[in-house]
Amino acid sequence: DAGVIQSPRHEVTEMGQEVTLRCKPISGHDYLFWYRQTMMRGLELLIYFNNNVPIDDSGMPEDRFSAKMPNASFSTLKIQPSEPRDSAVYFCASSSSRADTQYFGPGTRLTVL
Amino acid sequence: SQQGEEDPQALSIQEGENATMNCSYKTSINNLQWYRQNSGRGLVHLILIRSNEREKHSGRLRVTLDTSKKSSSLLITASRAADTASYFCATPSGGSYIPTFGRGTSLIVHP
Repeated sequence: DAGVIQSPRHEVTEMGQEVTLRCKPISGHDYLFWYRQTMMRGLELLIYFNNNVPIDDSGMPEDRFSAKMPNASFSTLKIQPSEPRDSAVYFCASSSSRADTQYFGPGTRLTVL
Repeated sequence: SQQGEEDPQALSIQEGENATMNCSYKTSINNLQWYRQNSGRGLVHLILIRSNEREKHSGRLRVTLDTSKKSSSLLITASRAADTASYFCATPSGGSYIPTFGRGTSLIVHP
């Protein structure tokens, strides 16, 4: 298996623009997680899905953030409009159960100017 | 909110020495996990220890768990420069069983 795939790896955009991050989980994994990592706040769980259904989005910072999982092999995290404070590395991870090993993608480094 | 906290925040050692990192947590857990993150990369799972286990080994890694003290330690023996990375513990938070991550220990191994 190729592991968790994220795209793009790097994204530089200007404030106010829409940003879409993409994730392909490991085939057969029922759980998908979106995280944000910054020096100030560490690794934060934004939202997670089980069988394509959002279970807990309490970590999503604002209404500007939204996430979808239209099928078992694809998820998106969208920021609209983006702000400089959204600059961070965004990770997607998947697992076969909620409490066990999570497999992380390489991350998307987002810079909002 | 963070369940686990690693200590120390940073550790610098020479190649060949042992490195010990600790994790303390607040509420009862059913398992605890350790992950490694190399610079610019995603987290990689190292080891999972369940609440009924006291010690677990994987290669040069040794993890201990003391549920009475709500703490765990990760020992890397005979460290190598390639072990330079950040190390995170992850413990289930609340009733969701979803692991939450601490701030990590940054380990630098000097050749």
